Formats: sequence, structure tokens, C-alpha cells
Amino acid sequence: AQSVTQLGSHVSVSEGALVLLRCNYSSSVPPYLFWYVQYPNQGLQLLLKYTTGATLVKGINGFEAEFKKSETSFHLTKPSAHMSDAAEYFCAVTSPGGFKTIFGAGTRLFVKA
Amino acid sequence: DSGVTQTPKHLITATGQRVTLRCSPRSGDLSVYWYQQSLDQGLQFLIQYYNGEERAKGNILERFSAQQFPDLHSELNLSSLELGDSALYFCASSGDSGNYYEQYFGPGTRLTVT
Repeated sequence: AQSVTQLGSHVSVSEGALVLLRCNYSSSVPPYLFWYVQYPNQGLQLLLKYTTGATLVKGINGFEAEFKKSETSFHLTKPSAHMSDAAEYFCAVTSPGGFKTIFGAGTRLFVKA
Repeated sequence: DSGVTQTPKHLITATGQRVTLRCSPRSGDLSVYWYQQSLDQGLQFLIQYYNGEERAKGNILERFSAQQFPDLHSELNLSSLELGDSALYFCASSGDSGNYYEQYFGPGTRLTVT
């Protein structure tokens, strides 16, 4: 069975500081991994995804994530936080050929001026 | 704009009632997913349809049912509503395996049960 754990339900950073949102997964087969962002009163939108190939993937708005198989992690980073990055972020996992996507509990990012 | 539409945006109803939420997927997408998002439960996968057939089931209550029609739109039916059913209900769609199951979410329907 697959599962996703997001460490920290809330993360607070100062504007301009590094953003690091943690995600660990459990999967018996090589997973497809995703990060989604949800702004207030909106649906989720895809930030980035890892399927195969390069383990460092770049997404929209300057975010990137690295797939580390040995650590079963897919942490999301951004070098410099912007006020507009304040939102909730969800990590998700799907198995190739699988029919279900499992979402983590979400991490709410606060950005202080 | 994700291309996924959901109606209505807001719905207020009383306990015991039945409601229908509607979703139109992105053009060409064959899969439709339904999710429930609440403060205490987070984002919960309910059910997935692929080209009219049920493909996967999550934490969907027996009082809830869904279907996907030949034109690929989907409806989620919620009956015998309880206060605890108040939540945001999202629909998402995805295409075939070519896009590795990334999902495109609609804006959601906010259901309030009073």
C-alpha cells in the first residue's frame, strides 16, 4: 500500500528565506510523485511532478523537488520565499498503472514580511 | 483556469436532504476523481471513474454515490445529509497514461449542511 507523510502541518518562513517542505512516501513499486499547491478558496494546481529520469525536477514559480529513492523522500524547495507563496502544499503519490493517488495531509506555508 | 468546471459553487441545505454536485472534466480527459476536503479530515479521495466505469474507490460513504455519463461529465450524489458532510467537494480530471496521472482540479463546491 502507498502512503505519504508530510512533516509539519505548518511552516513559517521570512520573505527571501529558503522554503523547505518535507514529504516522505511509502510505495512497493517505483512511484510517480507530485506536489500540488492550493491557494485560499481555490482548487489544487500542479506545481511539479517526478515520473522517471532526472531526479531533480523543476516546477512553476521557482519551486523544485528532488526524488531520493534511498530516503523515500520528495522534499519541495524554493531558494527565496515570496509573500505570494503563502498557500497550502500537498505531496501526492501514484503508482504506475495504479488507479489511486494518495495525498498527504498538507503543509500550510506562512511567509512573514 | 484548469479547464475543469464544477457546479454549483455553493450549496446550503438541511440535514436529511439530498444534493447533486456536477463536474465537467477538461476536454479529452477520460478520468474523473472526486475528493472531499474538510478541516478535520483533510483531502480525502472518494471515487474515480474512467470512461464511464468506476475504477477506484476511497473513503466514500454508502450515502454517497457517483456516476460518469457518456459525455464524460460526472455527478456526485449525497443523500441523507448530516452536519458532518459540510465540506469542500473537488472534482479533478486526468487524461490517459501519457500525462502520468497528473490531475487537474476544479474550483470546488462548498457544501454547508444546516
